[in-house]
Amino acid sequence: AQKITQTQPGMFVQEKEAVTLDCTYDTSDPSYGLFWYKQPSSGEMIFLIYQGSYDQQNATEGRYSLNFQKARKSANLVISASQLGDSAMYFCAMREAVSSNTGKLIFGQGTTLQVKP
Amino acid sequence: GAVVSQHPSRVICKSGTSVKIECRSLDFQATTMFWYRQFPKQSLMLMATSNEGSKATYEQGVEKDKFLINHASLTLSTLTVTSAHPEDSSFYICSARAPPAGGRHEQYFGPGTRLTVT
Repeated sequence: AQKITQTQPGMFVQEKEAVTLDCTYDTSDPSYGLFWYKQPSSGEMIFLIYQGSYDQQNATEGRYSLNFQKARKSANLVISASQLGDSAMYFCAMREAVSSNTGKLIFGQGTTLQVKP
Repeated sequence: GAVVSQHPSRVICKSGTSVKIECRSLDFQATTMFWYRQFPKQSLMLMATSNEGSKATYEQGVEKDKFLINHASLTLSTLTVTSAHPEDSSFYICSARAPPAGGRHEQYFGPGTRLTVT
């Protein structure tokens, strides 16, 4: 069974508008961490934002915010005021407590975002 | 932030030869490094977890004898693709785990190596 699911293979957004990238996860571990990464065409993985399962507030990092709905097991990424440079592939990832010793991440399938001028 | 380098960034080799890819943590000691493989437009697939001074732990379905991993020091892990074939052509990415910092982001990725086997 998929532990991390990103149901949107591709998304378009108009420049300066906000966009939400969906991510749902499946775990029975009460302690886990959720990550979002951006991968531009160059291939490097860029860390965007982190949410811990026990964090009371939704994480925010500049134009990025994470809409964490624990009961629904969703961790959607919201990008506000989209820029052309936001065009990239975006990955949601999870680290469970059981794998915290190694730091092993489980990645979703990814969503390709294209920002239109 | 922490920096991880990979070398080479691109490599083309002939079928049947071996290729070594290096992953270095430049400004921190990484007790654990990870090797991923990524096909175009697809997700990262974890190949193995590499711990300094011990044998790598391979994910199910990854051939240990084909993908040799050596984590000889706290700043260097190498992946050797032995007897490469065209189907081994892929984008290989390493990541290194920095010392824990309150459970937050502590895994840093290298820029990747694009391997083409002809």
